[in-house]
Amino acid sequence: GESVGLHLPTLSVQEGDNSIINCAYSNSASDYFIWYKQESGKGPQFIIDIRSNMDKRQGQRVTVLLNKTVKHLSLQIAATQPGDSAVYFCAEPSGPDAGGTSYGKLTFGQGTILTVHP
Amino acid sequence: EAGVAQSPRYKIIEKRQSVAFWCNPISGHATLYWYQQILGQGPKLLIQFQNNGVVDDSQLPKDRFSAERLKGVDSTLKIQPAKLEDSAVYLCASSAGLAKNIQYFGAGTRLSVL
Repeated sequence: GESVGLHLPTLSVQEGDNSIINCAYSNSASDYFIWYKQESGKGPQFIIDIRSNMDKRQGQRVTVLLNKTVKHLSLQIAATQPGDSAVYFCAEPSGPDAGGTSYGKLTFGQGTILTVHP
Repeated sequence: EAGVAQSPRYKIIEKRQSVAFWCNPISGHATLYWYQQILGQGPKLLIQFQNNGVVDDSQLPKDRFSAERLKGVDSTLKIQPAKLEDSAVYLCASSAGLAKNIQYFGAGTRLSVL
């Protein structure tokens, strides 16, 4: 079935560097993606989302890029801080009611562990 | 605004025992989700409620798992009897029903089955 997956399970960076976390998806009909951050002992926290009619979306210190040609998206974190250390998941809605409504379940990838060294 | 509340935070039981988890979603959120997160993996949906009705329970092991949301607010997830492979974090999430699948998660209940 359709799934989202991640290229690298771990990423280690120095404080102040930029981080790039990658995610591949298999369903070419997917039109909406979400990035979540999960700190140790906590539930996933929404970071940013992007619809398929966009190539790029920026938030505060984060940018998500979507390449529909190769079915790949990335999360870029600028000036990475120790507080950014967490597991990052990309996720997409799936199920019979998916398609941009709030009724679709989310399918999560395995996650990338980001470690930021001071 | 208060977030999604879950209890207990931790639970240790022996196999074949039963256990229940409780979730209180964000006030006004019509949609509630229960996810299972096994160590090292992303969350996997178990069941989704819209108000007090079930929208999707296709991945819920119904021979041992049950869930209810009787008044369309709080929800409980029960496992009876538990198996070793049920050891995981059980996450509850809610969404308003209008936003584009932005689900807000609780801290989860970590279950250890011995």
